[in-house]
Amino acid sequence: GQQVMQIPQYQHVQEGEDFTTYCNSSTTLSNIQWYKQRPGGHPVFLIQLVKSGEVKKQKRLTFQFGEAKKNSSLHITATQTTDVGTYFCAGRGSNYQLIWGAGTKLIIKP
Amino acid sequence: EPEVTQTPSHQVTQMGQEVILRCVPISNHLYFYWYRQILGQKVEFLVSFYNNEISEKSEIFDDQFSVERPDGSNFTLKIRSTKLEDSAMYFCASSENGVFPSEQYFGPGTRLTVT
Repeated sequence: GQQVMQIPQYQHVQEGEDFTTYCNSSTTLSNIQWYKQRPGGHPVFLIQLVKSGEVKKQKRLTFQFGEAKKNSSLHITATQTTDVGTYFCAGRGSNYQLIWGAGTKLIIKP
Repeated sequence: EPEVTQTPSHQVTQMGQEVILRCVPISNHLYFYWYRQILGQKVEFLVSFYNNEISEKSEIFDDQFSVERPDGSNFTLKIRSTKLEDSAMYFCASSENGVFPSEQYFGPGTRLTVT
């Protein structure tokens, strides 16, 4: 079946360093969404990418959708403690169901 | 700001018992979803619901699961005979539409503990 692989599983960074998480799909996606889940919280929608090669920015967050619409990335510049949480990608495939990646947990080193 | 609500926040039940998890989606949304998240793991899609019927379901959503929209506001997930492995956080979500790209709004979740 359709799968979305997300790496890395964890990323430890010093505050102020950058963070990146990557998602790869086994099939072409119609769109991809990104969610953030704070510890003990629920997923919160961040953004949606639809077009091939699309790049969107939200302050320090940059989201990209690959040209083949099979991969996506989220890059956070100069992380802050408020960025802590797990970031999930969720891709929509041919059957319209959202297939979720396993998430990347962002941990800020003390 | 409108939000999805879920009750109860925590449910403890014995193996073999039936549980009903309740959700109130955002009022003008048309598509409703249930997800499951075992502690520390990925979010897993269970089922989507539109126009009073299931539109999609995953392999996890077997015969022990059912969903219902008993009135104009509630959306429920029933687990007929709970197993230990059903212990997880269950999230309800809703969206304005389902086919075209549409963000999903998640509720705070119900933590189900099966003993």
